[in-house]
Amino acid sequence: QSVLTQPPSVSAAPGQKVTISCSGSSSNIGNTYVSWYQQLPGTAPKLLIHDNNKRPSGIPDRFSGSKSGTSATLGITGLQTGDEADYYCVTWDSSLSAVVFGGGTKLTVL
Amino acid sequence: EVQLLESGGGLEQPGRSLRLSCAASGFSFSTYALIWVRQAPGKGLEWVSAISGSGGSTYYPDSVKGRFTISRDNSKNTLYLQMNGLRADDTALYYCAKGNSFYYGPGSHTLDYWGQGTLVTVSS
Repeated sequence: QSVLTQPPSVSAAPGQKVTISCSGSSSNIGNTYVSWYQQLPGTAPKLLIHDNNKRPSGIPDRFSGSKSGTSATLGITGLQTGDEADYYCVTWDSSLSAVVFGGGTKLTVL
Repeated sequence: EVQLLESGGGLEQPGRSLRLSCAASGFSFSTYALIWVRQAPGKGLEWVSAISGSGGSTYYPDSVKGRFTISRDNSKNTLYLQMNGLRADDTALYYCAKGNSFYYGPGSHTLDYWGQGTLVTVSS
C-alpha cells in the first residue's frame, strides 16, 4: 500500500493529452516538492520533473508537472508511442522521515 | 557524463549476506548524496537507503533498518550496500541513484541519475 496514490493505468491515443494524478497528504505532498520519473520497459527510471514543475535538460516541454495542496499532476501532451512507460511520483514524507513513491501508473498509447 | 554501474547481485539463500557496489563517474562524487532504490519483480519502486556526500549521515526505512548498511568510499568513487539476514522479500532489482544535494532528505530528495540495476534473488 503506497503512501502516494496513483491510478494503476491510463491510456490515450497518439497526439492526445493525458494527465496522471498523485494524491498524498499534508505530511508529504502538502509539505514539500514532488518529482516524477519515467520508466520505459526494461530500463531504469529517469527523472522527468523535479521541484513540482521543473524539467531537467533534455526533457521535452510536452511533459509538465503541477502541484496543488496535497495532490500533484503529471501532464503529457502530443502523446507518442515511445511515451509508453510506467510513471512514478516521489516525495518526502515528514511523518515517516522517508522518501515515498507512488505505486506507479502504466501509460498506454493506443 | 554521469555513469552509475551496479554490481554484486546474484542468488543467495535466506539468512545469508550480500554486498552490492555502485561505481560512479562523471561528477564530483563526494559532493552528492547517493541512494539505493529497489524494485521487486513486476512491482513498484521502494527506497532502501541513503547516504550523505561525506558518508557521515545515513538513512534507512524500517523495512531494512538493522539488516542493511550503506557506505561509500569517496577515494574510490564507489557506493556500497551490505545486506545481511536476507529474506525472500528482498528479491528485487537494486538501483543506485545520485541525489541532487550533499544531504538527502526533505527539500533535497531528487534522484537525478540512476544506474541500470543489479538483480538480487533470495531463495533456497
